[in-house]
Amino acid sequence: DVQMTQSLSYLAASPGESVSISCKASKSISNYLAWYQQKPGEAYKLLIYSGSTLQSGTPSRFSGSGSGTDFTLTIRSLEPEDFGLYYCQQYYEKPLTFGSGTKLEIK
Amino acid sequence: EVQLVESGGGLVQPGRSLKLSCAASGFTFSNYYMAWVRQAPKKGLEWVATISTSGSRTYYPDSVKGRFTISRDNAKSSLYLQMNSLKSEDTATYYCARHRAMGMEFDYWGQGVMVTVSS
Repeated sequence: DVQMTQSLSYLAASPGESVSISCKASKSISNYLAWYQQKPGEAYKLLIYSGSTLQSGTPSRFSGSGSGTDFTLTIRSLEPEDFGLYYCQQYYEKPLTFGSGTKLEIK
Repeated sequence: EVQLVESGGGLVQPGRSLKLSCAASGFTFSNYYMAWVRQAPKKGLEWVATISTSGSRTYYPDSVKGRFTISRDNAKSSLYLQMNSLKSEDTATYYCARHRAMGMEFDYWGQGVMVTVSS
């Protein structure tokens, strides 16, 4: 199985700052990588797929980069609504696997 | 608006069975692969099952293969998960999710339903 590692389980930042969340795959997954956001009381939301393609409705301050084994989700100029949990997921092969999540909190 | 609403969760004893349902609306259900994803308390996400548009193909991870069965009724825009021989480690919130067209990512998720396996 492809193991997905999000090395930071917790990240604190202030509104207006930029942050990066990393995700590492245990083997090359090309660009078959998605990012999700979860906020309390809300459904999971797909933010980015194919490593860097913004899902419809995702604000342009979000961006994704990387291919192979190393990926990054960057949020420029944090807004209050950006705080929550972020997960990466590989879909290069089954079983589909997720990272352990990074909680982004307000500093 | 795409909506996925799960039901059927609850408390069940180890070794027993439970069937989850997901009512879909706001899109042409029969055109999309569908899936179940779960999240144990204070744990990460785990993919549980995927079914093709017609229901002819299903996919499972080893952790549930042989115990769980995903199915769908396109006429009713409904997705199901039959869970047999339940174990304590199956305790989780179960999410119904839609696969993005032509992809294995999940572009819409339900709010989830809790399943607790305990004696």
